[in-house]
This record gives sequence, C-alpha cells and structure tokens, in this order.
Amino acid sequence: QSVLTQPPSASATPGQRVTISCSGSSSNIGRNIVNWYHQVPGTAPKLLMYRNNQRPSGVPDRFSGSKSGTSASLAISGLQSEDEADYYCASWDDSLGGRWVFGGGTKLTVL
Amino acid sequence: QVQLVQPGVEVKTPGASVKVSCNASGYTFIAYYMHWVRQAPGQGLEWMGKINPKDGTTRYAQNFQGRVTMTGDTSTSTLYLELSSLRSEDTATYYCARENIRGFEDWGQGTLVTVSS
Repeated sequence: QSVLTQPPSASATPGQRVTISCSGSSSNIGRNIVNWYHQVPGTAPKLLMYRNNQRPSGVPDRFSGSKSGTSASLAISGLQSEDEADYYCASWDDSLGGRWVFGGGTKLTVL
Repeated sequence: QVQLVQPGVEVKTPGASVKVSCNASGYTFIAYYMHWVRQAPGQGLEWMGKINPKDGTTRYAQNFQGRVTMTGDTSTSTLYLELSSLRSEDTATYYCARENIRGFEDWGQGTLVTVSS
C-alpha cells in the first residue's frame, strides 16, 4: 500500500490530453514539494517534473505539473506514443523520522 | 556526464546478505547525497534510505532499520548498499539515485537481486 495514491492506469489517444492525479496528506504533499518520474518497463526511472511544476532540461512543455493542498497532478498534452510509460509521483514525508514516499504508479497507455 | 554503474544481477539464498555497489563518475562524488530505491517485480518504487558520501552519515527508512547498511568509498567513488537477513520479499531491482537540487536526476541502471532457495 503506497503512501501516495495514484490511479493504476490511464489511457488516451495520440494528440489528446491526459491528467494523472496523486493524493497524499498533510505530512507529505501538504507541506513538501512533489516530483514526478516516468519509467519505461525494464529501464531506470527518469525525473520528469520537480518542485511541483518545474521541468528538467530536455522535458518538453507538453508536460506540466501542479499542486494544491494535499494533491498534485501531472498533465500531458498532445499525447505521443513514446509517452507510454509508468508515471510515479514522489514527495518527502515528515512522519516516521522523515522519508521519501512514492505513489503506486500509473500505467499510461497510448491507444 | 554523470554515470552510476551497478552490477546487473545478484542471486542469494534466504537468510544471506547482499552488498550492491554503485560506481559514480562524472561529478564531484562527495558533493551529492546518494539514495537507494528498490522496485519489486511489477511493483512501485520504495525508498530505502540515503547517504552523505562526504561524511558517511545515513538516514534509513524505518522499514529497513536494522537490516540495511549504506556506505561509501571516496577512494573509488563507489557507494554500497548491504541488506541482511534476506527473504523472498526482498527480490527486487535495487537502484542508486543521485540527489541534486531538482530531485533524483541520475539513476543507476539497477541491480536485480533474486532471493531464492
């Protein structure tokens, strides 16, 4: 059971917009930043979004992030086939002595 | 460029220990915290802890307290994760991940640890 809650799956057709949610609590998202990672199965995760809505160099502006209260979301517009991957949110959690916590992941399928 | 190189596979029997290495290059080794994250087959990501390579201080996730040890060797720019009393549930891919101001921006390719009798 992951500390952060994400939908297990999402799907959309090329060109559409899709949003992935991430729900937490006051000990994590409510007081700390959210990062997003994506992972193609069989490979290591890659940083996709940091500090809620900042894109690392090389990440296209089709990707955007937001945070409100104890929830965050990742939006992908102009969906492309290469966006098919698993997406994870992450946040620092102040409980249990402090730890990074992840969502359970959302498998994005491009139909 | 930053490279984090890990061995591909480790096979261990239940009750044994495993020591996974992560050889770092392309940056100042002591300047960045290194984290370890694991992923069981078909499952999500689980943070195990972090180490400050500069002074060796560590912080471990409570789930692994007492079973995990993270160390670093500045002479070889290598980090190590040791996990003891292995059980089948520890079968997973173990990643090292370098933390910078943006987050875990650099990851090793992962080491698959299989625990089986």
